[in-house]
Amino acid sequence: DAGVTQSPTHLIKTRGQQVTLRCSPKSGHDTVSWYQQALGQGPQFIFQYYEEEERQRGNFPDRFSGHQFPNYSSELNVNALLLGDSALYLCASMSQGSYNSPLHFGNGTRLTVT
Amino acid sequence: SQKIEQNSEALNIQEGKTATLTCNYTNYSPAYLQWYRQDPGRGPVFLLLIRENEKEKRKERLKVTFDTTLKQSLFHITASQPADSATYLCALANTNAGKSTFGDGTTLTVKP
Repeated sequence: DAGVTQSPTHLIKTRGQQVTLRCSPKSGHDTVSWYQQALGQGPQFIFQYYEEEERQRGNFPDRFSGHQFPNYSSELNVNALLLGDSALYLCASMSQGSYNSPLHFGNGTRLTVT
Repeated sequence: SQKIEQNSEALNIQEGKTATLTCNYTNYSPAYLQWYRQDPGRGPVFLLLIRENEKEKRKERLKVTFDTTLKQSLFHITASQPADSATYLCALANTNAGKSTFGDGTTLTVKP
């Protein structure tokens, strides 16, 4: 049973560029949440996707956008990258029918902006 | 604004002792609280979940308590082992676990 998979594992971009990160949820899960984790800090909620729509959003600017596909996989896009966007980006999945079930996380994409 | 504080950035204990980690929160009325373990370079892994109407939950060597009056959770690892060394994250949520608020974690080191 495959867990949450994310790609790529590492990425280096230059300030001002755009980046796309990808996530495949755990088998049987239909809801995907994205989190940003800066070094030494806890994950911060970016947004959540269900039925191909953004359902909840955290305190992140519009430069952060996403998409969910019919097979429940998801993408996170960040435009006009800033140095402060350097972080570990985590994808977490869950089943919509189990709202208070725990999250299943992938191992993240480490983004470095230079 | 909502705030979660975990007792300290680092906790060092001797193998076999009980580790106790603290999670305090303000400006929040969570429906439930979760504890996750995170190893370097990896994503968080779920350990335990406790609901607001529960006082205590156990799983093998792990125990979590939840006091909604004090706005505090305690996480205990009994008979600690070097393999328990990791960062432990506390997370709060209302009805939607997908939108959880995390603390900054406590890094536990268990010395042989």
